[in-house]
Amino acid sequence: QKEVEQNSGPLSVPEGAIASLNCTYSDRGSQSFFWYRQYSGKSPELIMSIYSNGDKEDGRFTAQLNKASQYVSLLIRDSQPSDSATYLCAAGVGGYNKLIFGAGTRLAVHP
Amino acid sequence: GAGVSQSPRYKVAKRGQDVALRCDPISGHVSLFWYQQALGQGPEFLTYFQNEAQLDKSGLPSDRFFAERPEGSVSTLKIQRTQQEDSAVYLCASSLAQGEGYTFGSGTRLTVV
Repeated sequence: QKEVEQNSGPLSVPEGAIASLNCTYSDRGSQSFFWYRQYSGKSPELIMSIYSNGDKEDGRFTAQLNKASQYVSLLIRDSQPSDSATYLCAAGVGGYNKLIFGAGTRLAVHP
Repeated sequence: GAGVSQSPRYKVAKRGQDVALRCDPISGHVSLFWYQQALGQGPEFLTYFQNEAQLDKSGLPSDRFFAERPEGSVSTLKIQRTQQEDSAVYLCASSLAQGEGYTFGSGTRLTVV
């Protein structure tokens, strides 16, 4: 059973702080990893993808991948109340990139 | 269109009724996926199309679930004899090429009463 595990939270951080979201995956064959943001009642929105070990930065977001530890993380710098949402980690499996999602971590950024 | 379009947005079905959910992917997107998302959970894979070919239907929960994409564009997910456990949000996603992240539609919230 291929799995992606995330802490359900809620993770509560003050405005302006760094939010750190983590995820582990079980399938060593996974080569692609994604972070989606999902606001309540809305569909998931892709915010980051990462394919190689190391860090990938895009604006206030940094994704980190460690394939040896089967660990993916997302850092959100200068957190804003508008970042409050559920963050879904996903690992791609198979040639056509079927995504296996974690259950999501709920982030709450308070003013 | 500019994004992935799904209809209806909400559907209430009586137990035992058949339902059909429509997905109109982004124009030119070869890959199309259907996912099911229960409350408080991440999306779970149902089925995958590459153009009109259904290459993976391993996630369909039972033979009551059927999906098609006859012309390689619009897709329909059909659920026969709906049960209460089918209540969920059904998400369609498409991508231009294999290996890329998906763009999700707004979903269809199905409630079986």
